[in-house]
Amino acid sequence: KAGVTQTPRYLIKTRGQQVTLSCSPISGHRSVSWYQQTPGQGLQFLFEYFSETQRNKGNFPGRFSGRQFSNSRSEMNVSTLELGDSALYLCASSFPSGRSTDTQYFGPGTRLTVL
Amino acid sequence: DQQVKQNSPSLSVQEGRISILNCDYTNSMFDYFLWYKKYPAEGPTFLISISSIKDKNEDGRFTVFLNKSAKHLSLHIVPSQPGDSAVYFCAASRRNSGGSNYKLTFGKGTLLTVNP
Repeated sequence: KAGVTQTPRYLIKTRGQQVTLSCSPISGHRSVSWYQQTPGQGLQFLFEYFSETQRNKGNFPGRFSGRQFSNSRSEMNVSTLELGDSALYLCASSFPSGRSTDTQYFGPGTRLTVL
Repeated sequence: DQQVKQNSPSLSVQEGRISILNCDYTNSMFDYFLWYKKYPAEGPTFLISISSIKDKNEDGRFTVFLNKSAKHLSLHIVPSQPGDSAVYFCAASRRNSGGSNYKLTFGKGTLLTVNP
């Protein structure tokens, strides 16, 4: 079974631009979560989608948004990029059985650099 | 406010010895805890988990211990192997009322180096 895939793997943008990152979950998985990893803050939860609906949201500004499609693929968008948005963005998918113990499987991440 | 803390940024052990990675949490609502391993240029890989109703969970060379009263958990790797060298993240989650919660709160990680 193919794992979680994320595209692109690397991205360079300039301040003020916007960016869209894509995540394809493991086949059959319906929950997709996004995380931001930075050296200073570690891994921080952005949001989680299930059946095209955002179920959970972390403490990030409204510049960070996401969506999920009917095939469970997900995108996240960051508008008006700032230098501090440079980070590794990780996507994780899980097969929700309704328990909080469902394991999340991570993709390799997209490395975003903002110049 | 960091709710999950890994106070040791790095740990170095000899091959064959025990590695003990520690994690503390402050939120008493957390009821499920996980350990992930991460190699450079890869996403975190799930290693082992424990529910708050247990105090120990074992899977091969990996054992996680949970001390709820101290809000502390630890990961033991015995015996340690050079291939275990990676960053280890502790994570915690809590159930929302009425359903599941996929929001994981992570510690900042501990870099484990296992020397041959």
